[in-house]
Amino acid sequence: DGGITQSPKYLFRKEGQNVTLSCEQNLNHDAMYWYRQDPGQGLRLIYYSQIVNDFQKGDIAEGYSVSREKKESFPLTVTSAQKNPTAFYLCASLVGNTIYFGEGSWLTVV
Amino acid sequence: DQQVKQNSPSLSVQEGRISILNCDYTNSMFDYFLWYKKYPAEGPTFLISISSIKDKNEDGRFTVFLNKSAKHLSLHIVPSQPGDSAVYFCAVQTSGTYKYIFGTGTRLKVLA
Repeated sequence: DGGITQSPKYLFRKEGQNVTLSCEQNLNHDAMYWYRQDPGQGLRLIYYSQIVNDFQKGDIAEGYSVSREKKESFPLTVTSAQKNPTAFYLCASLVGNTIYFGEGSWLTVV
Repeated sequence: DQQVKQNSPSLSVQEGRISILNCDYTNSMFDYFLWYKKYPAEGPTFLISISSIKDKNEDGRFTVFLNKSAKHLSLHIVPSQPGDSAVYFCAVQTSGTYKYIFGTGTRLKVLA
């Protein structure tokens, strides 16, 4: 079964805790992305990575961190510095000129 | 400052009629344009795309039009079906980069 796998689907955390969202792809895609969706604000780019061991900040990188140690994995850490972390997080990868998304992860901070 | 705008947050059309979703952008350096469909609590699904060297691309019921001089992109769905009810996002790629920027989305409701 191929594709982009995000886990967990739903995650609850207490305020002030760091949390890591997993994104794995077995499609051999080089570029991977993290987006955040809030109601009425569309999809906003957090970080993207073109190749292993390289990544760039997107438009809303503050309070987030990523790593790209393996081609198939691009985990996102939501740190306690992120002021409003409750959102729907989407991981994606690129083939040709088209981005394909995973199923998303809901993070709720209470 | 939003570089990609979808000015209509919602749209309702009757089943069988045409749905027209619009997207405006500000940067002439964008050179690849895409449309996605999204259901609640799911990842967006790619629908159709167009390169800046074209002005039209068609795939079944979906047609994308690009007007570069107006910096305007539209998606036509004909005929509209109830299953098309979803949120539609346009996206643009900045030339020479891997960066993709999305619009805020338009919620389409197709009435049976």
